[in-house]
Amino acid sequence: GAGVSQSPSNKVTEKGKDVELRCDPISGHTALYWYRQRLGQGLEFLIYFQGNSAPDKSGLPSDRFSAERTGESVSTLTIQRTQQEDSAVYLCASSFKGGRATDTQYFGPGTRLTVL
Amino acid sequence: AQSVTQLGSHVSVSEGALVLLRCNYSSSVPPYLFWYVQYPNQGLQLLLKYTSAATLVKGINGFEAEFKKSETSFHLTKPSAHMSDAAEYFCAVRNYGGSQGNLIFGKGTKLSVKP
Repeated sequence: GAGVSQSPSNKVTEKGKDVELRCDPISGHTALYWYRQRLGQGLEFLIYFQGNSAPDKSGLPSDRFSAERTGESVSTLTIQRTQQEDSAVYLCASSFKGGRATDTQYFGPGTRLTVL
Repeated sequence: AQSVTQLGSHVSVSEGALVLLRCNYSSSVPPYLFWYVQYPNQGLQLLLKYTSAATLVKGINGFEAEFKKSETSFHLTKPSAHMSDAAEYFCAVRNYGGSQGNLIFGKGTKLSVKP
């Protein structure tokens, strides 16, 4: 079946502009995660959605970052007033239940964001 | 709080040689540990995971990892490297804090395989 998809695959923007990144999780997966991967670094957790529960926003680095999810489907990560330090690959992952520690997270190919 | 440390940002082996990628964890509770692989310009793919059922975990592509509580380690091994194993490998631990949802990743180890 289809995996996690993300769009766009690449995004180049100017400092100060807003960007929206999209994630389509695997159908039926109730949990959705956003991570950021900066050059030479591991993945940093940003935000986690589980079903209809309030999202866990504890990883968002500033109030310029926000995310929404429509039911148990598409999610959009928005970065307002982008800064050069926001340049990174943004990865989305989904898992079937999310609440169990052993659940596997399936990752999309990522969106490479470059802020000039 | 949980954390993982991957020793060596770059590892180079010859084709056919043993692959050993090191991961040490820190956790105040029994951890759930994962190894992911990332090929160039692709997302992460699960190699294997430790869920406390068995200390020696076998994964895809001939990789395996052994959970050693006394050493707080979860090193990834493969007996014989193949050129197609060249990629970046990430060790991760499941976060017990907050919503217990996300993974906490190490900084990754880039594996090169020489012919």
